[in-house]
Amino acid sequence: QVHLQESGPGLVKPSETLSLTCTVSSDSFNNTEFYWAWIRQPPGKGLEWIGSISYIGKSYKQSSLKSRLTMSVDRSMKQVSLSLRSVTAADTAVYYCARDRGPGNRLDSWGQGALVTVSS
Amino acid sequence: DIQMTQSPSTLSASVGDTVTLTCRASQSINYWLAWYQQKPGKAPKLLIYDASILQSGVPSRFSGSGSGTEFTLTITSLQPDDFATYYCQQYNTDGTFGQGTKVEIK
Repeated sequence: QVHLQESGPGLVKPSETLSLTCTVSSDSFNNTEFYWAWIRQPPGKGLEWIGSISYIGKSYKQSSLKSRLTMSVDRSMKQVSLSLRSVTAADTAVYYCARDRGPGNRLDSWGQGALVTVSS
Repeated sequence: DIQMTQSPSTLSASVGDTVTLTCRASQSINYWLAWYQQKPGKAPKLLIYDASILQSGVPSRFSGSGSGTEFTLTITSLQPDDFATYYCQQYNTDGTFGQGTKVEIK
């Protein structure tokens, strides 16, 4: 059984950095078969794939976000993190983490999601 | 980047109906396609992967087909629990989603 939990501030000011952490409760975290993905969903809209990272830190990023996006992994804590710089209102969304049968593959387990609002 | 287009955007149907949702890719993605179901306020749930393989625990009334650029998700004998929004996702290159098809009660 895989459990993923997103955490982080729910409100970020424009031009600042959005930071989220996903804690994974599963022995599969250290399995090279799996990657850990970030997906977001603006209110009332569809899903957008952000990127994916392995437990050794190899990452794949959506091209339009690449310049603002950093993903990292903390193996001891079984956590993956996302940082998105210079945010605007367009970055307001529910952010999900998910297990990727990757790299860049189907997403078979999802966290509940965390709403991040960009507003002054 | 690969673009994914789903049709229709909304589909009205009744319990017991068989419905077919379509997803088209802007270029060939072989069979690297997944389908997800999402209900309001919930995370998406994986239904089908590699275009036609049913995820463990998903009812057999869900089926997927297609390859290359055109794919379908069919739900046979629609159940009350199936009214939701469905997304396709290509994973041939990164992971682009379609814009979704909402299946609503007629």
